[in-house]
Amino acid sequence: AQSVAQPEDQVNVAEGNPLTVKCTYSVSGNPYLFWYVQYPNRGLQFLLKYITGDNLVKGSYGFEAEFNKSQTSFHLKKPSALVSDSALYFCAVRDLGYSTLTFGKGTMLLVSP
Amino acid sequence: DTGVSQDPRHKITKRGQNVTFRCDPISEHNRLYWYRQTLGQGPEFLTYFQNEAQLEKSRLLSDRFSAERPKGSFSTLEIQRTEQGDSAMYLCASSSQGKTEAFFGQGTRLTVV
Repeated sequence: AQSVAQPEDQVNVAEGNPLTVKCTYSVSGNPYLFWYVQYPNRGLQFLLKYITGDNLVKGSYGFEAEFNKSQTSFHLKKPSALVSDSALYFCAVRDLGYSTLTFGKGTMLLVSP
Repeated sequence: DTGVSQDPRHKITKRGQNVTFRCDPISEHNRLYWYRQTLGQGPEFLTYFQNEAQLEKSRLLSDRFSAERPKGSFSTLEIQRTEQGDSAMYLCASSSQGKTEAFFGQGTRLTVV
């Protein structure tokens, strides 16, 4: 079985400050890890993925994520937040033996001016 | 790449009626997924097609739900005898066999009154 936990329902950060959105996962094999963003009444937009290789992966809109195997974490980061980054962020995992994604509950990111 | 297209965007129906949603995946993608998202939750997997074959169905997919992908291109999701608990956003996603990430449509929001 595969599962994802996003421990924070909401993250508040001031514009220009660094942001982190947390994600931990559980899989039986090697994980494929993803971050998606969702704006109100919209579908999900792919941000970035970790498959293998470098533990720090870079994605769209200046976001990056760090894979930590020992802590089974895949936290989303950005050095300097923008008000336009305010949205709902989902972490997802796919075990190597599965074809489908399992999502976390989501974390609302609010960036204040 | 015109993206994943879903129709309709919104549907209001009376309890007990049947509804059908359509998804047009990205043209070269052979994998198609249906997910359901309720308020405050992440998307939950419903079913998955590779070409025209339905390879996996979630236990969430009761016998009132049926999905097809007759020619391996567009897909339909039908819900018979709708219940208020079916109210949700229904998301379609597609991916190609050589890629790990899935791309989502904007979803169909179903409201059962």
